[in-house]
Amino acid sequence: DAKTTQPNSMESNEEEPVHLPCNHSTISGTDYIHWYRQLPSQGPEYVIHGLTSNVNNRMASLAIAEDRKSSTLILHRATLRDAAVYYCILKNAGNNRKLIWGLGTSLAVNP
Amino acid sequence: DVKVTQSSRYLVKRTGEKVFLECVQDMDHENMFWYRQDPGLGLRLIYFSYDVKMKEKGDIPEGYSVSREKKERFSLILESASTNQTSMYLCASAAPPVYGYTFGSGTRLTVV
Repeated sequence: DAKTTQPNSMESNEEEPVHLPCNHSTISGTDYIHWYRQLPSQGPEYVIHGLTSNVNNRMASLAIAEDRKSSTLILHRATLRDAAVYYCILKNAGNNRKLIWGLGTSLAVNP
Repeated sequence: DVKVTQSSRYLVKRTGEKVFLECVQDMDHENMFWYRQDPGLGLRLIYFSYDVKMKEKGDIPEGYSVSREKKERFSLILESASTNQTSMYLCASAAPPVYGYTFGSGTRLTVV
């Protein structure tokens, strides 16, 4: 099962953009790239997902490299409420079970 | 808004007790999951279910069992609680494979 690599922690200032990187060099053609975030004392929350093209939604943008071996979650203007652990996960289209959860990136947002 | 509801946010149980953790989803999802989350270990899959009365072991099923009698409800059972089962337990449900999981808020279980 393909794994992802993320930095342990990152820091940002409020109202600045944040780019959270993820490497997934062993991604397969049917793996979707999913991002979740987990606020303190909460369950993970779905943020965004994509396959090949860049994606935008109300929470964030997802930029996927052309070779799909890496992706970046973009928070356009960080707020204090965005302080959380962000997980990058590969989800195979043919298998709804096997998700490998790493330790994610802990994002701190400074006022 | 879609929801996954876990019956308790915090539980304290004694060693050897039988513990039931309940999870209910209102999205008509076929797939439901139980994870535990521990510091430094991330989320680990205990059991999952892809249909009523169907279940499959995850990565760490020892000491746990599950029950899914109705589509919306997935229960995790600790047959005889032990202190090493002190953890945050997270339930999730999911629609077709390409879509995301919806998680509950978690149950923090302490076994004393």
